[in-house]
Order: sequence, then structure tokens, then C-alpha cells
Amino acid sequence: DVQMTQSPSALSASVGDRVTITCRASESISKWLAWYQQKPGKAPKLLIHQASSLESGVPSRFSGSGSGTEFTLTISSLQPDDFGVYYCQQYNNFWTFGQGTKVEIK
Amino acid sequence: EVQLVETGGGLFHPGGSLRLSCAASGFSVSSTYMSWVRQAPGKGLEWVSVLYATDNTYYADSVKGRFTISRDNSKNTLYLQMDSLRAEDTAVYYCARQLHMDVWGHGTAVTVSS
Repeated sequence: DVQMTQSPSALSASVGDRVTITCRASESISKWLAWYQQKPGKAPKLLIHQASSLESGVPSRFSGSGSGTEFTLTISSLQPDDFGVYYCQQYNNFWTFGQGTKVEIK
Repeated sequence: EVQLVETGGGLFHPGGSLRLSCAASGFSVSSTYMSWVRQAPGKGLEWVSVLYATDNTYYADSVKGRFTISRDNSKNTLYLQMDSLRAEDTAVYYCARQLHMDVWGHGTAVTVSS
């Protein structure tokens, strides 16, 4: 099974800050990685797929990069609505989620 | 509008059974990958099962042999039959579309407890 490890587990940042979340796969997953945002009591929302493709309607401050085993999600200028838990997910070999990164606005 | 709506959750006893439904609108469940994903209280996301357009089905090891995924094309609805329930099956269950899960339902809560 492919294991996905995110870091950090939580972060607190100010509005306007650049935020980076890292996701590492236990084996190569090529570009088959997605990022989701989940707010309390809500379903996850797709942000990025194929490692770097921005989902329609998602603000351009979100971006993804990486391939193989190392991936990053970047929020270029953190906004108040960006709080929540962010998950990476591989879909190269079935599906596996990272453990999540909780983003708090200072 | 593309939408998924799950129903069927509730309180169930260990060893019992239930069937979750996921009604789709705006697209055909038979035309794409359809998955079930669950989230235990306060925990992360766990993929549970997938049904391919080709009718292939796959399951997480944690539910293999106990859960069955299926669909009714005439009702455009995905199902998850859950048998031999365990306390650790307690979670919110979501259905989702596509390999990269671009559309999710709102979820339905399943509690397994005596």
C-alpha cells in the first residue's frame, strides 16, 4: 500500500502569509496526486489534481507542484477563508490520503 | 447541477447490516469511477471502495468481505451494503465521483454501537 505523509500536522499563519504544505509518498505515484480542503462539518473540496492542475473555481492563490514522491501545496497569500484541514491523496494505486494539515488563521 | 446525496445512515448494532445510497444528478454514475470514503469522528479520510464504469469493484482491506458496492443505473444511484458491522465502522460516509474525487456528497453518519 502507498503511504502518504504530510507535514506539518498543523500551522498557524497570518493573513497574507505564504503557506506551504508538503506531502511525501512511500513510492512513486508519478503525478497522480490531489489536494483537498475540508472545513468543519463539510465534505472535502477538491483544490488541485494531477499534482498541479487547479480545479475550476478554485482561487489562483492555490498551487501545487511535484512529481514522483514529493509534492507541495502552496497558498501564495493566505486569506481568512482558507482555514480548515488540507489533505493530500494519491490515486496512482487505489486511493490513500495523508493524515491532514490543520491550517489556522492567526 | 452535478450533485451527490447520501442517505441511509443512523445507529446500528454490532454485527448488523445497512445499505447506504448515493443519488446522483447531473451525470451518470455508470459513466465514471464512483467511490465511498469515510471519516471516523475526529479522524482523517479513508477510502473504502470503488466501482468502475467497467463494473470492476475494489475494497479497502478493512472492509473487504463485509461491504459490497453496487449501482442501479435506472435510478442513477450508488450503494454500499455494509454487513457484519463493527464499532470501528462508525464514521461519516461520503460518496465521490472520479479518480480525483471532484464531486462529493454531504455525507451520511453511521454509528455502530450496542
